[in-house]
Amino acid sequence: DSGVTQTPKHLITATGQRVTLRCSPRSGDLSVYWYQQSLDQGLQFLIQYYNGEERAKGNILERFSAQQFPDLHSELNLSSLELGDSALYFCASSVGLAAPYEQYFGPGTRLTVT
Amino acid sequence: AQSVTQLGSHVSVSEGALVLLRCNYSSSVPPYLFWYVQYPNQGLQLLLKYTSAATLVKGINGFEAEFKKSETSFHLTKPSAHMSDAAEYFCAVSDQGGSEKLVFGKGTKLTVNP
Repeated sequence: DSGVTQTPKHLITATGQRVTLRCSPRSGDLSVYWYQQSLDQGLQFLIQYYNGEERAKGNILERFSAQQFPDLHSELNLSSLELGDSALYFCASSVGLAAPYEQYFGPGTRLTVT
Repeated sequence: AQSVTQLGSHVSVSEGALVLLRCNYSSSVPPYLFWYVQYPNQGLQLLLKYTSAATLVKGINGFEAEFKKSETSFHLTKPSAHMSDAAEYFCAVSDQGGSEKLVFGKGTKLTVNP
């Protein structure tokens, strides 16, 4: 158990819908990262927040957005969902701002868009 | 831009045999390097990391990796495979310059045969 929690574990929704994925980092960690894992793209970095502020952006679509709240939990919002958005979404947390601080991964949310 | 290449999407070994999983990186600056393991239906767990302190890095579960700058490699090894090592292994790179994101390889699925 990494100490990072993600809800829900599974999510099935239809195209065009909007969903929110939630992540609670390990106690004391200020950084939260979101990654997408799909069969064709592999593991891809989406976005990072540090203590409530956006710090880095990766291959995140404009239909996707995230935020980190004062209690440090984070939410990833996915809208106008397409079939290709079906993937595993991981949240990770670390104590510091950047490497070499280790990133601890949550169990993931499996999103299926039908 | 950083990139990671993992040679061999599938590796099969016998129980008790040497495990060798290959990773080559491309980075314009000295990198931080990581190996993560993903068991079925779970998140990623850090096995070990290279942060320039020592070229031979020991990790959990008997795994180790050697950083070879001349070969731009960071191969993962374990002298004797155990059935419980069956999983998918990911190599990742992060810039020492403070880049927050991890760039992952495509992963290598390890099968251990009895």
